[in-house]
Amino acid sequence: DAGVIQSPRHEVTEMGQEVTLRCKPISGHDYLFWYRQTMMRGLELLIYFNNNVPIDDSGMPEDRFSAKMPNASFSTLKIQPSEPRDSAVYFCASSLRAYSGANVLTFGAGSRLTVL
Amino acid sequence: GENVGLHLPTLSVQEGDNSIINCAYSNSASDYFIWYKQESGKGPQFIIDIRSNMDKRQGQRVTVLLNKTVKHLSLQIAATQPGDSAVYFCAEIPFSGYALNFGKGTSLLVTP
Repeated sequence: DAGVIQSPRHEVTEMGQEVTLRCKPISGHDYLFWYRQTMMRGLELLIYFNNNVPIDDSGMPEDRFSAKMPNASFSTLKIQPSEPRDSAVYFCASSLRAYSGANVLTFGAGSRLTVL
Repeated sequence: GENVGLHLPTLSVQEGDNSIINCAYSNSASDYFIWYKQESGKGPQFIIDIRSNMDKRQGQRVTVLLNKTVKHLSLQIAATQPGDSAVYFCAEIPFSGYALNFGKGTSLLVTP
């Protein structure tokens, strides 16, 4: 398995532009998570899905952020409009069923977003 | 929400020495505690975990200790190698949830 695949790896955009980050989870995993990492706040959970259904989006900063999972093999995180404070590394992770020690959370390599 | 934090932000050790990375947590309602390693430019990678009904678990060169009385978690790395240089995060999963809550991380630097 190729692991969790994220794209793009790097994105530089201007304030006000729309940003779409993409994630392909590990095949067969039914939990998908979006995290954001900054120096100030560390790793923050934004939202997670179970079987393509959003379960907890309380970590989504504001209405400018939205996430979708149209099918089991694809998810997007969209920021519209983007702001400089959204600059961070965004990670997608997936896991098989609920955490039980054997079902660890596997992370993608991340998408580094810079908003100018 | 509850905090999962780290005592030391940076740790420098010599190659071959043992390393100990500490973590304090405040949520007593956690089922699993996990250590992740993050190398520069990569996503966090699972190292080892421990369930709340245990106080020690060993892996390959790593040991995790859990002290629920003082809500303290530690990761011990034996014979630290240059490849161990990374940021280490502790994380916890509450009984009622599925998502990991991460601490801020400790940077481990291994010098030759």
